[in-house]
Amino acid sequence: NAGVTQTPKFQVLKTGQSMTLQCAQDMNHEYMSWYRQDPGMGLRLIHYSVGAGITDQGEVPNGYNVSRSTTEDFPLRLLSAAPSQTSVYFCASSYKWGVTYNSPLHFGNGTRLTVT
Amino acid sequence: KQEVTQIPAALSVPEGENLVLNCSFTDSAIYNLQWFRQDPGKGLTSLLLIQSSQREQTSGRLNASLDKSSGRSTLYIAASQPGDSATYLCAVNRGNRLAFGKGNQVVVIP
Repeated sequence: NAGVTQTPKFQVLKTGQSMTLQCAQDMNHEYMSWYRQDPGMGLRLIHYSVGAGITDQGEVPNGYNVSRSTTEDFPLRLLSAAPSQTSVYFCASSYKWGVTYNSPLHFGNGTRLTVT
Repeated sequence: KQEVTQIPAALSVPEGENLVLNCSFTDSAIYNLQWFRQDPGKGLTSLLLIQSSQREQTSGRLNASLDKSSGRSTLYIAASQPGDSATYLCAVNRGNRLAFGKGNQVVVIP
């Protein structure tokens, strides 16, 4: 099983450029999410989705867009890259989510993004 | 806002010793708590998930306990090995998101 696959692994952007970070899972998971990990800040939730066609904002959504047209894919779009978006981005998924579900979260290996 | 704290940020232990990692959280109304392992340059791997109704969970050499009333969880790793060197993070679930601690960076010295 591939699990959660993120592409690309590394990316360098200039300020103002846009790009899409790809995330795909092959486990038929309903819940998918994007986190960024920064030194001293820990992991922070950007956006999440509880199913195809449903997305919501997390803790730090500004500057990012998401959509969920299929169960498998959950791309993250940077609209106009800024140096403050330099970070490691992780996609994570879970079978289901919510009060009555206790499914572990599965992470991809991350995309290391540098904005100059 | 849920605050999750892991102290110390880094620790070293000799091989064979038992590892004890602590996680504290401010809001006891949680649905579950997960412990993760992160190796350098990699994503997080889920180690154990404890439901709010459980007191502990075990997997091999790993045992995690949960005391909601005091806002604490402890991860025990028995007979540590150099391969256990990694960063360990705890995360609490109160809804559609997890609140993560910043992790304990562990080095097991051969």
